Amino acid sequence: AIQMTQSPSSLSASVGDRVTITCRASQGIRNDLGWYQQKPGEAPKLLIFAASTLHTGVPSRFSGGGSGTDFTLTISSLQPEDFATYYCLQDYDYPLTFGQGTRLDIK
Amino acid sequence: QVQLQESGPGLVKPSQTLSLTCSVSGGSIVTDSYYWSWIRQPAGQGLEWIGRVFSSGSTNYNPSLKSRLSISVDTSKNQFSLRLNSVTAADTAIYYCARSARTVVGATFPWGQGILVTVSS
Repeated sequence: AIQMTQSPSSLSASVGDRVTITCRASQGIRNDLGWYQQKPGEAPKLLIFAASTLHTGVPSRFSGGGSGTDFTLTISSLQPEDFATYYCLQDYDYPLTFGQGTRLDIK
Repeated sequence: QVQLQESGPGLVKPSQTLSLTCSVSGGSIVTDSYYWSWIRQPAGQGLEWIGRVFSSGSTNYNPSLKSRLSISVDTSKNQFSLRLNSVTAADTAIYYCARSARTVVGATFPWGQGILVTVSS
């Protein structure tokens, strides 16, 4: 199975900060990657697909990049509603695999 | 828009079979554009992909669960289902159903709200 290594596992930041989360695949996965946001008690929500395409309705402060094995999720200016846990998911090959998650909380 | 809703028992005894159904509304489950997935999340932990089914009935399973797992689709009811047998406490989790795009990579949405299943005697 393809392993997705996400870092950092947790991150403290302030409103207005720029933050970047990374996801590294154990083998090349082209751009077959999505980023998801999960808030406590809720199901995950799609933010970005195909590594860099913003899902409908997602604010433009979110952006994704990368291809092959290294990927990033950047939030350009943190808003209060962005404090959540973020996951990457590869669907290049099955079993699909998630990163272990990055918990983003308020400093 | 398409919505998904999980249903099933919230409590299952060890060694028995966990059975869940995902009802799809707002669109047909019969489509070549999407497949239908199950994902789970133990309390306080990360997400694990369980498997997926196409409206044709073909499936892909996580090898870690394959020997105990069956996912099926009922097009007449616009539903798909999960059966996991010989459950243990390690199968206690929130189970989500979700729709994934076949030709748009990395796009799994929407998700159901999730259902907590506890394995306990």
